[in-house]
Amino acid sequence: AQSVTQPDIHITVSEGASLELRCNYSYGATPYLFWYVQSPGQGLQLLLKYFSGDTLVQGIKGFEAEFKRSQSSFNLRKPSVHWSDAAEYFCAVGVPGGGNKLTFGTGTQLKVEL
Amino acid sequence: NAGVTQTPKFRILKIGQSMTLQCTQDMNHNYMYWYRQDPGMGLKLIYYSVGAGITDKGEVPNGYNVSRSTTEDFPLRLELAAPSQTSVYFCASSYFGGDGYTFGSGTRLTVV
Repeated sequence: AQSVTQPDIHITVSEGASLELRCNYSYGATPYLFWYVQSPGQGLQLLLKYFSGDTLVQGIKGFEAEFKRSQSSFNLRKPSVHWSDAAEYFCAVGVPGGGNKLTFGTGTQLKVEL
Repeated sequence: NAGVTQTPKFRILKIGQSMTLQCTQDMNHNYMYWYRQDPGMGLKLIYYSVGAGITDKGEVPNGYNVSRSTTEDFPLRLELAAPSQTSVYFCASSYFGGDGYTFGSGTRLTVV
């Protein structure tokens, strides 16, 4: 079975600084990989996804993520954080077939200091 | 295009009561899912469906039941509510595995 780890529970960055949120997965082959964002009291919104092809994927709101097979990682990055990026971020992993179920990490809470 | 619609948004239940959380999607997605979200725990899969008439258990199915009579609807039934079912419940749907999920806005349930 697949699993996903987000090592950082909370991260605080200054507005305008760069951001990297870590995500590591466990699966024997290349899985589907996703990053979602959740603002307080809201549902989850898909930021970006990877399932094949170019290992650097671009998403919405200026986010990008890089799939590194050798490190089993799919870290989320943004070059310059805005105050509105404060939210909780979830990494998720899925595998082909079997109902296309996603396994989610426990989330990283991002705080942005002005 | 409404996407995934969940009702109600909030509900308070007494221990032992039952209720149904409604979920409807208008994207003609075959795959539908119910997750619960608890603080610091991420999202846990309760039940899922790969098409009308087909459902299966996820990671935490105890105390819940589902049905899928149409492509659009995937209600979640709570029988004999317990305080441990206090949580935020999310319904989601997808077209295929690599496409990711579209989530509803959630139902916040408190059992007292």
